[in-house]
Amino acid sequence: GQNIDQPTEMTATEGAIVQINCTYQTSGFNGLFWYQQHAGEAPTFLSYNVLDGLEEKGRFSSFLSRSKGYSYLLLKELQMKDSASYLCAVMDSNYQLIWGAGTKLIIKP
Amino acid sequence: DGGITQSPKYLFRKEGQNVTLSCEQNLNHDAMYWYRQDPGQGLRLIYYSQIVNDFQKGDIAEGYSVSREKKESFPLTVTSAQKNPTAFYLCASSIDGGAGANVLTFGAGSRLTVL
Repeated sequence: GQNIDQPTEMTATEGAIVQINCTYQTSGFNGLFWYQQHAGEAPTFLSYNVLDGLEEKGRFSSFLSRSKGYSYLLLKELQMKDSASYLCAVMDSNYQLIWGAGTKLIIKP
Repeated sequence: DGGITQSPKYLFRKEGQNVTLSCEQNLNHDAMYWYRQDPGQGLRLIYYSQIVNDFQKGDIAEGYSVSREKKESFPLTVTSAQKNPTAFYLCASSIDGGAGANVLTFGAGSRLTVL
């Protein structure tokens, strides 16, 4: 079966750095997405990786290793507004998105 | 501003009733989707549509129905056949339903509670 694994919850301190991991086992691979979702709100797109390596976008970076079935989202200079759930999703060989359950990130002052 | 509007935001339903959730987009996107979000689970696809007057079942279509009569609109009906309808429902759209960086734009969601 297809599976996306992420930690359920993480806690970090304002101003620090946090890495949220995502491992996947899917039928084929056509890209990996990260979305941010504040409680009770719509998910919003953060990043897309289809080739191995690091994509940097401001305070957020996303890394992909296709051979290891692994990605991480790196958040730097954490702010209180970064408290949210972070959703990892993989596009499989049928171009369908398989979603992880999300990682709830709690930022403490 | 372009975006997706879902309504109502909160809805209460008695058992045995059908309810319809509205989803409207002004992004000129071809593809539209309905997802269900439950605590501790990933988003699950209910139905999707890549073009007007055509739609496909997702992973959990039983007990739901949709229509796509206009490009802008993709309403979801939760029927009495859906055994556990209490959930957060998210509508999304994308430029097309194809490959590549098919980024989804989501609506704010509708929370349905069955009493």
